[in-house]
Amino acid sequence: DIQMTQSPASLSASLEEIVTITCQASQDIGNWLAWYQQKPGKSPQLLIYGATSLADGVPSRFSGSRSGTQYSLKISRLQVEDIGIYYCQQASSAPLTFGSGTKLEIK
Amino acid sequence: EVQLVESGGGLVQPGASLKLSCVASGFTFSDYWMSWVRQTPGKTMEWIGDIKYDGSYTNYAPSLKNRFTISRDNAKSTLYLQMSNVRSEDTATYYCTPYVYYGPYFDYWGQGVMVTVSS
Repeated sequence: DIQMTQSPASLSASLEEIVTITCQASQDIGNWLAWYQQKPGKSPQLLIYGATSLADGVPSRFSGSRSGTQYSLKISRLQVEDIGIYYCQQASSAPLTFGSGTKLEIK
Repeated sequence: EVQLVESGGGLVQPGASLKLSCVASGFTFSDYWMSWVRQTPGKTMEWIGDIKYDGSYTNYAPSLKNRFTISRDNAKSTLYLQMSNVRSEDTATYYCTPYVYYGPYFDYWGQGVMVTVSS
């Protein structure tokens, strides 16, 4: 199975701050990576697919990037509605696997 | 509007069996691969498996392959998850979700159904 090592586990940041969450894949997954946001009490929502493509309706302050087998999600100006848990997911091969999640809070 | 409504969860004893259902609407169910994904109370996300649009092929997470079975009824736009010999570690919220057309990503989620395994 492909392991996705996500960090940090939790993050507290100020409004308007830049936030970065990373996932390290245990092997090459190309651009087969997605990011999800899960707001408190809600189901997950797709933010990014193909490592860098923004899903429909997602604000442009969210962006994804890749460097080798390391993937990053950046929130350019943190807003209060961005609090929640963020997950990466590799879509390269079965079994599909998720990162352990990053809980994002407002400082 | 895409809707996914999971049902069939609840409190179940260890070793028992349980069958979850997911009724889909708002898209052509028979055109899409479908998956089950679960989330534990500790918020760990786990892919359970998937099924081809015509039901002819299934794929499972190795750790669950011997106990879980995914099936579908395209005439009823319904996806199923048969769980057998359940264990406490199966306690989770279960989601059904279709793959998007551009890859094995999940753009639509139901509200999920909670399964609690406890004596």
